[in-house]
Amino acid sequence: QFALTQPPSASGSPGQSVTISCTGTSSDVGGYNYVSWYQQDPGKAPKLMIYEVSKRPSGVPDRFSGSKSGNTASLTVSGLQTEDEADYYCGSYAGSSNWVFGGGTKLTVL
Amino acid sequence: EVHLEESGGGLVQPGGSLRLSCAASGFTFNSRWMHWVRQAPGKGLVWVSHIKSDGTGTTYADSVKGRFTISRDNAKNMLYLQMSSLRVEDTAVYYCAGDWAYGLDVWGQGATVTVSS
Repeated sequence: QFALTQPPSASGSPGQSVTISCTGTSSDVGGYNYVSWYQQDPGKAPKLMIYEVSKRPSGVPDRFSGSKSGNTASLTVSGLQTEDEADYYCGSYAGSSNWVFGGGTKLTVL
Repeated sequence: EVHLEESGGGLVQPGGSLRLSCAASGFTFNSRWMHWVRQAPGKGLVWVSHIKSDGTGTTYADSVKGRFTISRDNAKNMLYLQMSSLRVEDTAVYYCAGDWAYGLDVWGQGATVTVSS
């Protein structure tokens, strides 16, 4: 249903690190360095956390980092904090002025 | 302060039409590509449409192509989404968002569209 594949859930304890994967194809994730990650709290609008694979917008803690290998991108949250509990979505440019998102991953801080 | 605010959502019957508006403030609207993204209840984000900064180029997801039209009025700092031939599966919260390096860095609070008889 969604062009990019994410695990439905991920979890970690406070202080630990967790990595969320986002798998696409050579037509989107693998073809462009335009992968972005969004954090969404319940009932709120998404917030951009990472753009261009690994860049952080101003104000986003450096505990959030992004990377990409082939057709798979990853978001790593280090030093987990309780406020990091949210839904996370990856997005990618897919060429010809089209964009795609993943199905989302619910991150639980145990 | 950078701000986007959607309006125009509501309840509409299948086959009906609705126009969403998005008012922008706090940034140079006429230099930004803009998007519409939707989220069905309890589901993930789905990209809907994109428009270039001067309005000359538009693209659409296959699911809405031919039924939805994106437009903008840079003089009024406004973005629009004209939706027609609405289907039950178009029910969602619709967000307008601004593009920054192919990521969406500014989002509105969302407008709820419910398609039901």
